[in-house]
Amino acid sequence: EAQVTQNPRYLITVTGKKLTVTCSQNMNHEYMSWYRQDPGLGLRQIYYSMNVEVTDKGDVPEGYKVSRKEKRNFPLILESPSPNQTSLYFCASSFGDRGISGAQYFGPGTRLTVL
Amino acid sequence: AQSVTQLGSHVSVSEGALVLLRCNYSSSVPPYLFWYVQYPNQGLQLLLKYTSAATLVKGINGFEAEFKKSETSFHLTKPSAHMSDAAEYFCAVSEGDSSYKLIFGSGTRLLVRP
Repeated sequence: EAQVTQNPRYLITVTGKKLTVTCSQNMNHEYMSWYRQDPGLGLRQIYYSMNVEVTDKGDVPEGYKVSRKEKRNFPLILESPSPNQTSLYFCASSFGDRGISGAQYFGPGTRLTVL
Repeated sequence: AQSVTQLGSHVSVSEGALVLLRCNYSSSVPPYLFWYVQYPNQGLQLLLKYTSAATLVKGINGFEAEFKKSETSFHLTKPSAHMSDAAEYFCAVSEGDSSYKLIFGSGTRLLVRP
């Protein structure tokens, strides 16, 4: 089954404790992206990757890191989480040879709470 | 810079009534436009997309949207609402072939009354 998986689905942590949210897709997509969803703000793009070893900042990259060492995986790293990073996070992937012209496939989301 | 405005954070319709969800965008180049739907506790799913072909786009579940360049709009419609259409709907814009950024609107929650 074609899918994007994220782990963990729920996470409660404390300020300053490094964490990683994993994202994996099995559709051989070049493009992957991370978003955060906050009430009244919709989804905002954090980072995206056009292919292996190629990443770029979205609109809200501060406090986040990413890496793309393999095509299928795109982990999101919070080196020192803060309460303002409490949010619902989505990973997405798509074919990406011509920008974002097709459907993005979204993971189920990770709800993060930083105390 | 791109931006998306969705008018109305909540829209309530009766079952069987017309659904109209509004989306206006700004873009300095011909845009790609998308509507996504999010059901409770789920990720987003593509409803339909406009990528410079026909201006009237048909999507899944009976939804359609019309790209109007003169009005910079991409409103989503469905002739007859079903209870199962209750969800949150997001409009999004990308600046065409050269862009890997996707900008979402703030979303509209559709409520369907029996």
